[in-house]
Amino acid sequence: NAGVTQTPKFQVLKTGQSMTLQCAQDMNHEYMSWYRQDPGMGLRLIHYSVGAGITDQGEVPNGYNVSRSTTEDFPLRLLSAAPSQTSVYFCASSYSSIGGEQFFGPGTRLTVL
Amino acid sequence: AQSVTQPDIHITVSEGASLELRCNYSYGATPYLFWYVQSPGQGLQLLLKYFSGDTLVQGIKGFEAEFKRSQSSFNLRKPSVHWSDAAEYFCAVGGWRDDKIIFGKGTRLHILP
Repeated sequence: NAGVTQTPKFQVLKTGQSMTLQCAQDMNHEYMSWYRQDPGMGLRLIHYSVGAGITDQGEVPNGYNVSRSTTEDFPLRLLSAAPSQTSVYFCASSYSSIGGEQFFGPGTRLTVL
Repeated sequence: AQSVTQPDIHITVSEGASLELRCNYSYGATPYLFWYVQSPGQGLQLLLKYFSGDTLVQGIKGFEAEFKRSQSSFNLRKPSVHWSDAAEYFCAVGGWRDDKIIFGKGTRLHILP
């Protein structure tokens, strides 16, 4: 049981490049989410999903896309990276958004030059 | 929209002293409230949560929190801190009306020997 896994752990991009941050969970959780963590800003919700085929926007969705084709995977796509997207990204999963504990992945540290 | 305020960015206490971290929330219905801890360079771990029922909830590592609806607060307490409690603490709010789980900006706890 690996829990929530994220790849890569570190990534450096140039402005305008695209990439996908991978997130997978093996706990059969319906709810998955992406947060970004910046100094002094806490964790801000980017996108979330309450089940396969269902996604919705969080607090800071601009510049990011998500899809949820399976229960296990919830990739986050940066279409055209910008320096403002330099951050640490955390994926989380929970059996439910209603009162459920979120289990967090180890994070991806992204730098956009 | 729900929101969370953690008024203290940094708190310093001496080892063995008591601790209270403040959290105020805004939500239009009965909230679900969480406290998470993040040790340096680590992911987030759930300390405790309030879902319903008893307003004083016990968590791991000797932490407790009290839900006060009249004050829209969910303060975290520990009677005697240990050096290993030095970390960043995040309060979060969710609820049945909204699938989003929103975090506060965090409070960094420093422990004096």
